[in-house]
Amino acid sequence: AQKVTQAQTEISVVEKEDVTLDCVYETRDTTYYLFWYKQPPSGELVFLIRRNSFDEQNEISGRYSWNFQKSTSSFNFTITASQVVDSAVYFCALRGGSSNTGKLIFGQGTTLQVKP
Amino acid sequence: NAGVMQNPRHLVRRRGQEARLRCSPMKGHSHVYWYRQLPEEGLKFMVYLQKENIIDESGMPKERFSAEFPKEGPSILRIQQVVRGDSAAYFCASSLPGGSLMNTEAFFGQGTRLTVV
Repeated sequence: AQKVTQAQTEISVVEKEDVTLDCVYETRDTTYYLFWYKQPPSGELVFLIRRNSFDEQNEISGRYSWNFQKSTSSFNFTITASQVVDSAVYFCALRGGSSNTGKLIFGQGTTLQVKP
Repeated sequence: NAGVMQNPRHLVRRRGQEARLRCSPMKGHSHVYWYRQLPEEGLKFMVYLQKENIIDESGMPKERFSAEFPKEGPSILRIQQVVRGDSAAYFCASSLPGGSLMNTEAFFGQGTRLTVV
């Protein structure tokens, strides 16, 4: 079975603090993709990153960075110097190779509140 | 992701009525996915369609729910005889044909928020 767990339901930080959102996944597939999406209060889903299972290099994009560790089945997301506009629900998702349909398995989401 | 168009954005239905949710994929995309987001929960896969074919409906409730993606026109998610528990946000995603679905970006629409009163 495939599963994504985001243990942190809600996180509250003050602006300019760094914050890490945890994501742990389960899959028996050797080939898979991991994703992060942002859902701001307006409700749409904004794609942030896609990472395949063969690429464990960490990635940085501006204030965002991702730490992929296969040994611990984790794909954590860090926001550096958080801003109020980062307030949103963040979803981690998994796409495994065995289903061959491309469907995504989402975690429950982490609500991030950044206070001024 | 602005290219995937869902309408309506908000839909209110009384118990027992039918709800029809529409999804127009991005230009050139022939793969459509529907997901449901219940309040305070993550998104759950419902169904995956290609033009005129349902490929995977493992996430669809067995009754009252159906989906189609005709050769012409948008994909439709239909919920018959709605109940309060159907109140949720329904998201559509589309992706390109061909290649490996694993490596294909899925672009999401803005969702339809269904409220059953």
